[in-house]
Amino acid sequence: AAGVIQSPRHLIKEKRETATLKCYPIPRHDTVYWYQQGPGQDPQFLISFYEKMQSDKGSIPDRFSAQQFSDYHSELNMSSLELGDSALYFCASSLRGHRPSGNTIYFGEGSWLTVV
Amino acid sequence: KQEVTQIPAALSVPEGENLVLNCSFTDSAIYNLQWFRQDPGKGLTSLLLIQSSQREQTSGRLNASLDKSSGRSTLYIAASQPGDSATYLCAVGYNNNDMRFGAGTRLTVKP
Repeated sequence: AAGVIQSPRHLIKEKRETATLKCYPIPRHDTVYWYQQGPGQDPQFLISFYEKMQSDKGSIPDRFSAQQFSDYHSELNMSSLELGDSALYFCASSLRGHRPSGNTIYFGEGSWLTVV
Repeated sequence: KQEVTQIPAALSVPEGENLVLNCSFTDSAIYNLQWFRQDPGKGLTSLLLIQSSQREQTSGRLNASLDKSSGRSTLYIAASQPGDSATYLCAVGYNNNDMRFGAGTRLTVKP
């Protein structure tokens, strides 16, 4: 079965550079989420999109932005990178539809970002 | 503040034991609760999803329960195997777009 695909799997950037992470949700899923997991920490919600519109915003820094495109893939853009941005970035997707009580959320393997 | 706590932080058991992982949350106005498994350096694999109206869900050797009134969930793993070794994360959904994760329980099952 198709899963959530993230690219690149590993990325090394220098401070103050820009990085872009891509996410391809499970086909027919209408919701995409981005999470950040620092070393030894639990995942923190950054932002989500439903049907290509921003749906909810968590602890995403102003230096970061994200969007969902017409083909439902999403990109997380990170600028002016700091050492503290080094983390595992997860994308997840779900099929929300019109169900109010939520659906199973499926995570990708994550993209490792190292800022040096 | 919506906090999710998992106890214990780490657990080591011999193969074959049944075990219970605990998750507690401060805000009982939840939409759902999901248990995940995370292997080192890997993504999160969904194990079980419990809707707010449900009390438990079962999948194979796994059983998850939910008690909203007391703000608790448990993940029961029967007949543990070395392949069950991983970090188990509890995530509470407070709306359709956000989940709050616990810090996880790191499980080691020794052969």
